[in-house]
Amino acid sequence: GQNIDQPTEMTATEGAIVQINCTYQTSGFNGLFWYQQHAGEAPTFLSYNVLDGLEEKGRFSSFLSRSKGYSYLLLKELQMKDSASYLCAVVDSNYQLIWGAGTKLIIKP
Amino acid sequence: GAVVSQHPSRVICKSGTSVKIECRSLDFQATTMFWYRQFPKQSLMLMATSNEGSKATYEQGVEKDKFLINHASLTLSTLTVTSAHPEDSSFYICSARGDTDYNEQFFGPGTRLTVL
Repeated sequence: GQNIDQPTEMTATEGAIVQINCTYQTSGFNGLFWYQQHAGEAPTFLSYNVLDGLEEKGRFSSFLSRSKGYSYLLLKELQMKDSASYLCAVVDSNYQLIWGAGTKLIIKP
Repeated sequence: GAVVSQHPSRVICKSGTSVKIECRSLDFQATTMFWYRQFPKQSLMLMATSNEGSKATYEQGVEKDKFLINHASLTLSTLTVTSAHPEDSSFYICSARGDTDYNEQFFGPGTRLTVL
């Protein structure tokens, strides 16, 4: 079966750094997305990785290792507005998005 | 670019009535649109994949006669919840696949459905 694992909830302090991990087992791989979703709102695109390595975009970076079936989202200089759920999603061999359950990130002052 | 709108944003209806939700890609043509449902504190659950001009493909456990999907044009897909019941109350989100190389899905803002 297809499976995406990410922690259910994480807590971090304002101004700090947090890493949200995602491991996956899917039938084929055509890329991995990270989305941010605030409560009551639709997901918004953060990053896309299809090759191994680190993609940096401002305070957010995303890493992928295809051989390990592993990705992480790194958030630096955390702000209160970063409190949200972070969803990992993998594009499988049929170009379908397989979604993780999401990681709820709580930022404390 | 790549904006998706959804209407209405909120709807409250009585049990037994039908509700139609529209999803539009405003500045691109979307050959494929997706309908998701999300219950509180849970992740997105794909209900169906809709291709323009053909019948939608429903995920296992989703009743196609209850959740009618029409994708008549490259910019519009509709989801009709027929004979709604309180357990259908949820956050319904559509997305449209863009023409980027990496199949990014662009999400609408969602529709909060409450069935009394």
